[in-house]
Amino acid sequence: GDSVTQMEGPVTLSEEAFLTINCTYTATGYPSLFWYVQYPGEGLQLLLKATKADDKGSNKGFEATYRKETTSFHLEKGSVQVSDSAVYFCALITNNAGNMLTFGGGTRLMVKP
Amino acid sequence: NAGVTQTPKFQVLKTGQSMTLQCAQDMNHNSMYWYRQDPGMGLRLIYYSASEGTTDKGEVPNGYNVSRLNKREFSLRLESAAPSQTSVYFCASTPTATGASTDTQYFGPGTRLTVL
Repeated sequence: GDSVTQMEGPVTLSEEAFLTINCTYTATGYPSLFWYVQYPGEGLQLLLKATKADDKGSNKGFEATYRKETTSFHLEKGSVQVSDSAVYFCALITNNAGNMLTFGGGTRLMVKP
Repeated sequence: NAGVTQTPKFQVLKTGQSMTLQCAQDMNHNSMYWYRQDPGMGLRLIYYSASEGTTDKGEVPNGYNVSRLNKREFSLRLESAAPSQTSVYFCASTPTATGASTDTQYFGPGTRLTVL
């Protein structure tokens, strides 16, 4: 079945550091890929998405490129802020999966001033 | 627009007790979902409803029942709670009835449930 693997956290960075959170996937069919973010005490919200190979999703300074050849969708940001501290989830959905999003385990990011 | 709302925010149950988690959305969405979130495991789908009047099992349905009361509301019931059901529960919704693969899911704030 479909699966998503993320790097384990927590990831601790200083403000203005470069961020990479790795995400790889296994899927049948042609998945759409997502990054969701969960701020403390809140539900998940969509950060960015990409629906086909080589697409780049971007939002709030975050970027991720859909790499079909490496089955990856790594999240990057050039300069993190304290306000970026949250848990980040990589997820996919395929045409065959109907309504089911498959999530990775989540990566907690802590940014120190 | 309140988006997706859930009640209660917190709940403590004893083993064997029953309860219903409530979810409502005011975005006129067709599809609604219940997930549970456990440490290190991301979110796992319990049940979903592609449209009013239909419900389907997700990845981890055992021990739960759902009701799609109307287009706005989707409730999750635990008939006889067990400690393994201690988790954070999230409700979500998407606009289309078929859950097209590019749909964004909109999440509620969650219910933290502890079963003693």
